[in-house]
Amino acid sequence: GQSLEQPSEVTAVEGAIVQINCTYQTSGFYGLSWYQQHDGGAPTFLSYNALDGLEETGRFSSFLSRSDSYGYLLLQELQMKDSASYFCAVAIGGFKTIFGAGTRLFVKA
Amino acid sequence: GAGVSQSPSNKVTEKGKDVELRCDPISGHTALYWYRQSLGQGLEFLIYFQGNSAPDKSGLPSDRFSAERTGGSVSTLTIQRTQQEDSAVYLCASKSAGTDTQYFGPGTRLTVL
Repeated sequence: GQSLEQPSEVTAVEGAIVQINCTYQTSGFYGLSWYQQHDGGAPTFLSYNALDGLEETGRFSSFLSRSDSYGYLLLQELQMKDSASYFCAVAIGGFKTIFGAGTRLFVKA
Repeated sequence: GAGVSQSPSNKVTEKGKDVELRCDPISGHTALYWYRQSLGQGLEFLIYFQGNSAPDKSGLPSDRFSAERTGGSVSTLTIQRTQQEDSAVYLCASKSAGTDTQYFGPGTRLTVL
């Protein structure tokens, strides 16, 4: 079967740094993506890692270790607007993508 | 269009009725996905279409669910004999060949009474 594990909730204060982890067990692996979804909104793409290492995009960074089947999303200089759900997703082959259950991030003032 | 659009935005139906949900992907995107999201849950893969290839239907939960994509563009997800457990938000996404980014539509919130 396919499984992606991520924490259900994370709370952090404005201006802090938060890391959301994702471990996966899938039948195939072509890359790890991260999506953000605000309440009532559609998921929006944040980042993609196909190779090991760190990808940085502004305040957001994403890391992948294929040997550990592990990745994380790092959010720096947290803002209130970052309060949302964050999903990791694995492209397992062809065009098929499996999503995790999501991590709900609460940013406090 | 500028993005992925879905219709209707909300659909309330009675148990046992059939429903059709529509998705208009971004023009030129060859891949189209359907997902289901229950309240507070992750995205459950249902089906994807890629160009003229046979669709991957491996995520459809039962034979009451079907989908088609006409002319490589618009897609319709049909749920026959709806059940209360079908209540969820149905999300459509499209993707351009050679990229990894899926662009999601706003979803259709389906409520089965």
